[in-house]
Amino acid sequence: QPVLTQPPSASASLGASVTLTCTLSSGYSNYKVDWYQKSPGKGPRFVMRVGTGGIVGFKGDGVPDRFSVWGSGLNRYLTIKNIQEEDESDYYCGADHGGVPNFVAVFGAGTKLTVL
Amino acid sequence: QVQLVESGGGVVQPGTSLTLSCTVSGFTFTTYAMYWVRQAPGKGLEWVATISNHGVNRYYGDSVRGRFTVSRDDSQNTLFLHMNSLKSDDTAVYYCARATRDTSGFYCDSWGQGTLVTVSS
Repeated sequence: QPVLTQPPSASASLGASVTLTCTLSSGYSNYKVDWYQKSPGKGPRFVMRVGTGGIVGFKGDGVPDRFSVWGSGLNRYLTIKNIQEEDESDYYCGADHGGVPNFVAVFGAGTKLTVL
Repeated sequence: QVQLVESGGGVVQPGTSLTLSCTVSGFTFTTYAMYWVRQAPGKGLEWVATISNHGVNRYYGDSVRGRFTVSRDDSQNTLFLHMNSLKSDDTAVYYCARATRDTSGFYCDSWGQGTLVTVSS
């Protein structure tokens, strides 16, 4: 099954841009990952799915246009432009693997985004 | 609109059992697979279980397999997580999520607010 690696923290100034990275383990370069935003006291929020060709499908409900994704090799990126205070959250990437009878879902350890 | 509401959390002693519920509305429950995901204090998201639409297939994370059982009552639009032999490591906020499937697999596009389970003596 794939392992998803994320840096533990990132920061950016209000109004700036930041790119968060999710790295798939070797051998899974064709996998798509899903980005989720997790704020304290709230359930996670689906942001969007990304493959090497960029976004797959649609953004989650209410996700601003400031959020975009792209992918290259084993890396899947989430870019947030014109960062706002409400973007300060933990961001997780997730993926699933296999099917009947060996389905498994995995998450990265998450990146805590701080807005300066 | 789509809503998922978890319930059933609480403080329980190690070795005991607990059942969580997730009642949904705003969509046709029978056509969706469902996930349970948890987050322990200060930790990241951890996949717990997935049940297919109509409950035909069920899958579990390594840390809960053999102790937890996921089920659903489509007539009541409710998802369940039956938790046995609880350990302190099971202490977490438990979230249910609706799983939409496309050609790339599942993604969880709607989530509940979570219910806290604390396992402590």
